Amino acid sequence: NAGVTQTPKFQVLKTGQSMTLQCAQDMNHEYMSWYRQDPGMGLRLIHYSVGAGITDQGEVPNGYNVSRSTTEDFPLRLLSAAPSQTSVYFCASSYSASGIFEQFFGPGTRLTVL
Amino acid sequence: ELKVEQNPLFLSMQEGKNYTIYCNYSTTSDRLYWYRQDPGKSLESLFVLLSNGAVKQEGRLMASLDTKARLSTLHITAAVHDLSATYFCAVDGEYGNKLVFGAGTILRVKS
Repeated sequence: NAGVTQTPKFQVLKTGQSMTLQCAQDMNHEYMSWYRQDPGMGLRLIHYSVGAGITDQGEVPNGYNVSRSTTEDFPLRLLSAAPSQTSVYFCASSYSASGIFEQFFGPGTRLTVL
Repeated sequence: ELKVEQNPLFLSMQEGKNYTIYCNYSTTSDRLYWYRQDPGKSLESLFVLLSNGAVKQEGRLMASLDTKARLSTLHITAAVHDLSATYFCAVDGEYGNKLVFGAGTILRVKS
């Protein structure tokens, strides 16, 4: 199993550009999430999904869109990039086993917005 | 709103010493997770603590959970350089899928 994969690994954007960060998992996990990591702030939840066709907002959703058309894929779209979106983005997947939601993280995408 | 606080945020230790990282959270939760992150890498799951009084150990790391005090600890015994990393605790939010993370503790073990 590849686990959780993310592309690209690095990206530089100019302010106002749009792009999609890709995330895929091959573990048949029902839950998927997107986090951003900023220095000194831990990880903050952007959007999450509890299954194909179902998404919801997390703590910091503004400026981002998601969709989940399949169990495997959960892309994150930046609509109009801003310097405040410079961050490291992690995708994670999990499944519920007796109430445990241990999340498995992808390798991350380091995004710089100029 | 669920808040998770870790302390210390930075810890510099000598090899062979013991120390504890603390994780406090603000609302009732029975599930707490510890993760390790090496520089430039992703997060690796260390422990899942599911109930009051839970204790788990792996090598030189031991984690415990006190749900009444809303406190988890990560104890490091006889630190070695390989333990240098950033350690995060996380607590389930409104739904089990929504983790709220602490800011992380940067651990540096000096030889």
